[in-house]
Amino acid sequence: TQLLEQSPQFLSIQEGENLTVYCNSSSVFSSLQWYRQEPGEGPVLLVTVVTGGEVKKLKRLTFQFGDARKDSSLHITAAQTGDTGLYLCAGVMEYGNKLVFGAGTILRVKS
Amino acid sequence: ETGVTQTPRHLVMGMTNKKSLKCEQHLGHNAMYWYKQSAKKPLELMFVYNFKEQTENNSVPSRFSPECPNSSHLFLHLHTLQPEDSALYLCASSQLTAGGSYEQYFGPGTRLTVT
Repeated sequence: TQLLEQSPQFLSIQEGENLTVYCNSSSVFSSLQWYRQEPGEGPVLLVTVVTGGEVKKLKRLTFQFGDARKDSSLHITAAQTGDTGLYLCAGVMEYGNKLVFGAGTILRVKS
Repeated sequence: ETGVTQTPRHLVMGMTNKKSLKCEQHLGHNAMYWYKQSAKKPLELMFVYNFKEQTENNSVPSRFSPECPNSSHLFLHLHTLQPEDSALYLCASSQLTAGGSYEQYFGPGTRLTVT
């Protein structure tokens, strides 16, 4: 059983559409990170959220940390082909200071 | 060089070979990590080094042997691997601080194929 469940596992959309991917857990995290990984490369850190209810924006990407710090979402507005990749969430467990990764969401944006 | 570099980018080895993967970080971080990424499986943490000391070994088989001579360099020595060890091996670094976020800075990875 994954400590961090990501959904959906795979998403294929047309350019210009909006989408949301989710990262859920029954555990509390002191902080949560989102990464994007393109084929043949390592994951690249997009954002870190640390406060329950926090919302951060990175151009067309909006990240939200749940009030109880157990879940997070990533919303992309007007997706572009360059958004294609594997999106990973990772959380630092509140107790134990351990970083755990979700299995990821594969996003494919078609032109 | 900037960030985290890994060499080689691609490696094909037989089951009886011995090879090493190299990672170097240019970020001044105090912790380095090895991860394994296989198709359709989540990222698996293998080893963690904090100030050159190994602090975590997630039940990794002994055919994988890490070495961290200093806080900027990390090696993964490979011997008598199995075909199921074929994967993308990622190195990462982070700056560990009390109450920190453990943000990971990854290298581009080494694509390993065991024949």
